Amino acid sequence: DVKVTQSSRYLVKRTGEKVFLECVQDMDHENMFWYRQDPGLGLRLIYFSYDVKMKEKGDIPEGYSVSREKKERFSLILESASTNQTSMYLCASSSPSGRVNEQFFGPGTRLTVL
Amino acid sequence: GDSVTQMEGPVTLSEEAFLTINCTYTATGYPSLFWYVQYPGEGLQLLLKATKADDKGSNKGFEATYRKETTSFHLEKGSVQVSDSAVYFCALSDHAGGTSYGKLTFGQGTILTVHP
Repeated sequence: DVKVTQSSRYLVKRTGEKVFLECVQDMDHENMFWYRQDPGLGLRLIYFSYDVKMKEKGDIPEGYSVSREKKERFSLILESASTNQTSMYLCASSSPSGRVNEQFFGPGTRLTVL
Repeated sequence: GDSVTQMEGPVTLSEEAFLTINCTYTATGYPSLFWYVQYPGEGLQLLLKATKADDKGSNKGFEATYRKETTSFHLEKGSVQVSDSAVYFCALSDHAGGTSYGKLTFGQGTILTVHP
């Protein structure tokens, strides 16, 4: 069974802290994605990666960075957390083979920044 | 750029009622279309998909038909159950080839609540 796991389900941090969100997939997928989910806004793409050490900005990259040192792991970093980054963060992965690019999602991390 | 618009929610129905959640899209080329579902406390799961015009995706009693002429992909179910209560997202994907990497563009989500 395909599996995407995220390091924490719930996280509470203080303004200005550096925050790491970890995502691991066991499907040997090339592509990995980080989204944030906010009510009424759906999912918005923050960053994605199509290979180890490769990354591309999504629609809302400001205030975030990412790291992909190994194929199975994709980390989202909040360099200096702010209250407007309180949100649900979802990681996903996919393989570029074939025309239909289904993404598989982790359970999400609900981050609260105080 | 690409965009997806879903009907505004939330939607509240009684068990065994008919469900329609509207979804329209704007895209260049020929995207693939998806419906994802998010049950309480969980991540998103693929519900169904369609890759070309007039394709019908179906799963767990849900159906959606890729209508290129109306740029729509409406989700329907003939008889909903309490267990269908969830958030439903319509999404489109450009192709995985080239430099697009098959990114998904999501609608805003529709909350469905089904009462016994």
